[in-house]
Amino acid sequence: DIEMTQSPDSLAVSLGERATINCKSSQSVLHSSNNNNYIAWYQQKPGQPPKLLIYWASTRESGVPDRFSGSGSGTDFTLTISNLQAEDVAVYYCQQYYSLPLTFGGGTKVEIK
Amino acid sequence: EVQLVESGGGLVQPGGSLKLSCAASGFTFSVSSIHWVRQASGKGLEWVGRIKTKANTYATEYAASVKGRFTISRDDSKNTAYLQMNSLKTEDTAVYYCTRFGAGSGSFDLWGQGTLVTVSS
Repeated sequence: DIEMTQSPDSLAVSLGERATINCKSSQSVLHSSNNNNYIAWYQQKPGQPPKLLIYWASTRESGVPDRFSGSGSGTDFTLTISNLQAEDVAVYYCQQYYSLPLTFGGGTKVEIK
Repeated sequence: EVQLVESGGGLVQPGGSLKLSCAASGFTFSVSSIHWVRQASGKGLEWVGRIKTKANTYATEYAASVKGRFTISRDDSKNTAYLQMNSLKTEDTAVYYCTRFGAGSGSFDLWGQGTLVTVSS
């Protein structure tokens, strides 16, 4: 199984500042056939289901604000929230869909400082 | 409206059974793979299993923690997927979400609101 490790577990960022969340996979999730990294990022607010933000490691889902961006390749990935807004308070999860079983990181809670 | 709606959750005793439903609307259900993901209270997300489409022989796969106890099925004529849960354990207590696997995104692009399953005596 591919293990996904997120860091930090939580972070507090001032409004308008940048939040950076890291995700490391225990093996590469870069598929050689299409050069895609099989990583997605989700946002989950209290009492709500997760919402897809980013897929293929860096492609923003339709309707997601451009202050959300994803980067990385191979085993190391980053979700960056620039210009943090109050509505971005949530838990963020990375997920690999390179191989079954699909696995998620443990989550990073983002709060306002 | 494009949506997934789960139902069937509730309180069940250890060793008991429960069947969850996931009703889809607003999109072509029959060409979508459906996955189930669960989340214990205050915890992270855990993949439970998936069912592919008719074109892929309705292939199923499960997490090791539920294999042999849980069964995923679907009825494309009713636009509904199911999660049959047998031999339930207290550690199966969680909110269960059904999700659509987006072929273009290769990820879960649509989620239901979830249904709570509580396994307790």
